[in-house]
Amino acid sequence: AQKITQTQPGMFVQEKEAVTLDCTYDTSDPSYGLFWYKQPSSGEMIFLIYQGSYDQQNATEGRYSLNFQKARKSANLVISASQLGDSAMYFCAMREGQNQGGKLIFGQGTELSVKP
Amino acid sequence: GAVVSQHPSRVICKSGTSVKIECRSLDFQATTMFWYRQFPKKSLMLMATSNEGSKATYEQGVEKDKFLINHASLTLSTLTVTSAHPEDSSFYICSARDLRGQGVSGQPQHFGDGTRLSIL
Repeated sequence: AQKITQTQPGMFVQEKEAVTLDCTYDTSDPSYGLFWYKQPSSGEMIFLIYQGSYDQQNATEGRYSLNFQKARKSANLVISASQLGDSAMYFCAMREGQNQGGKLIFGQGTELSVKP
Repeated sequence: GAVVSQHPSRVICKSGTSVKIECRSLDFQATTMFWYRQFPKKSLMLMATSNEGSKATYEQGVEKDKFLINHASLTLSTLTVTSAHPEDSSFYICSARDLRGQGVSGQPQHFGDGTRLSIL
């Protein structure tokens, strides 16, 4: 079964507007971490934001915020005030437990295109 | 911040050649590194977990004899694609986990810039 699901293969957003990228996950481990990475066309993976399963508040990092709904097992990324440079692939990832070696399981990715 | 260097960034070689890709953690020690493979517009698929001083742990379906991993020091892991064929052409990317500063950062994995491998 897919552990991380991103249902939006592609998204378009107008420059300066906000956009939400969806991510749902599946785990029975009470301890887990959720990550979002950005991958521009050049290929490097850029860490954006992290949410721990025990965190009480939604994570925020500048223009990025994570809408964490634990009961629904969703961890959507919200990008505010989109910029042209935000055009890239975005991946949601999960790390289960404390002693799972730290490996990440990635979703399928969402390609975001920001229109001028 | 933590930096991971991956080399080479691009390789083009003939079928049957073995290709070695290096992954270095530049300013931290990494007892564990990870190797991923990615096809265009697709997700990152974990190939193996590289453990310093011991054998790598391969994911199901990954050929151990095809993809040799060596993690001889706390800052270097290598992936060797042996007798590469066109179907091995892909984007390979490594990552390492910086265990310093545990807490709100969630100890994210830091990725190298990847290697584009093209087998003719």
